[in-house]
Amino acid sequence: EPEVTQTPSHQVTQMGQEVILRCVPISNHLYFYWYRQILGQKVEFLVSFYNNEISEKSEIFDDQFSVERPDGSNFTLKIRSTKLEDSAMYFCASTGRFTEAFFGQGTRLTVV
Amino acid sequence: LAKTTQPISMDSYEGQEVNITCSHNNIATNDYITWYQQFPSQGPRFIIQGYKTKVTNEVASLFIPADRKSSTLSLPRVSLSDTAVYYCLVGDPLTGANNLFFGTGTRLTVIP
Repeated sequence: EPEVTQTPSHQVTQMGQEVILRCVPISNHLYFYWYRQILGQKVEFLVSFYNNEISEKSEIFDDQFSVERPDGSNFTLKIRSTKLEDSAMYFCASTGRFTEAFFGQGTRLTVV
Repeated sequence: LAKTTQPISMDSYEGQEVNITCSHNNIATNDYITWYQQFPSQGPRFIIQGYKTKVTNEVASLFIPADRKSSTLSLPRVSLSDTAVYYCLVGDPLTGANNLFFGTGTRLTVIP
């Protein structure tokens, strides 16, 4: 079965530092997403990406966040200056037209 | 975007059939209904998708009445491993980008 791969599985960073979370979506998918899930809470949409640009973003996705698909296979989420409240699981997902979404196993980000 | 409403939690004994209902009163003509399952510290996983009437696969059935303003996920003979959070999502799979907003989900606990 195809899968979405995320690295690293765990990341600990100091407040104010930049982090980059990486994802390899399924190769023939067209739409890419980032979500976060604070412990015990629901899955929150951050951003969707299609045709090399952001198609939709939530109010959580402020100027501290950016996404990139640098080489046609990787899809990254960058947080420029992390805050304590950025601690969460971050999930990447991808989907094609008329296909279900496939989610990665997530990156647990801990900001200390 | 169609908003969805689900019960926050449900309990069931092992071996019973579980039905989880989702309300989506403002579903649009092109929208499909998709259900995802999430285990703790894992990404959501696709269960089933449908447009109208009934859809069945190897793990679940999805019942959608004629007005499509609600849907019911049916899990036959649940086991302890079905303990998870179940999310109902509504959106247009043609665009891909607009169908992945998660609500609060239903936390199902299967009791031995």
